[in-house]
Amino acid sequence: GNSVTQMEGPVTLSEEAFLTINCTYTATGYPSLFWYVQYPGEGLQLLLKATKADDKGSNKGFEATYRKETTSFHLEKGSVQVSDSAVYFCALDSNNNDMRFGAGTRLTVKP
Amino acid sequence: NAGVTQTPKFQVLKTGQSMTLQCAQDMNHNSMYWYRQDPGMGLRLIYYSASEGTTDKGEVPNGYNVSRLNKREFSLRLESAAPSQTSVYFCASSPSPGQGGETQYFGPGTRLLVL
Repeated sequence: GNSVTQMEGPVTLSEEAFLTINCTYTATGYPSLFWYVQYPGEGLQLLLKATKADDKGSNKGFEATYRKETTSFHLEKGSVQVSDSAVYFCALDSNNNDMRFGAGTRLTVKP
Repeated sequence: NAGVTQTPKFQVLKTGQSMTLQCAQDMNHNSMYWYRQDPGMGLRLIYYSASEGTTDKGEVPNGYNVSRLNKREFSLRLESAAPSQTSVYFCASSPSPGQGGETQYFGPGTRLLVL
């Protein structure tokens, strides 16, 4: 079945450091890929998405590129801020109302 | 515009008790979902409703029932709670059923503790 594997945390970085959170997937067909972010005490909210191979999703300085050849959708940001501290979830959707999420990666950014 | 709302925010149950988690959305979305979030496991789909009047099982439906009361409301019922159902429950909605690539919009969650 479809599944998502993402880098286990927690990840702790200093402000302005470079961030990479790895995400790989297993799926049949051509899924859409997402990154959701969960701030403390809140529900998940969409950070970015890509619906086909080679698409790049971007938002708030975060980027991820849909790589079909490596079945990956790694999240990157060039310079993290304290306000980026949250839990990040990679997810895939195979067009059948069955969104699959990774386990989540907790990011803490220190001043 | 409240988005997706859930009640209650927190609940403690004893084993065997029943309860209903409520969810409502004001975005005129067709599809609604219930997930549970457990440490180290991400979110897992319990049930979903692709449109008003339909419901379907997700990945982990055992021990739960759902009702799509109308287009706005989608409730989750635990008939006889078990400690294994201790979790954080999230409701979500999306505009159209079965359309790949659609964003899901999440409520703030209900934290349930079953003793």
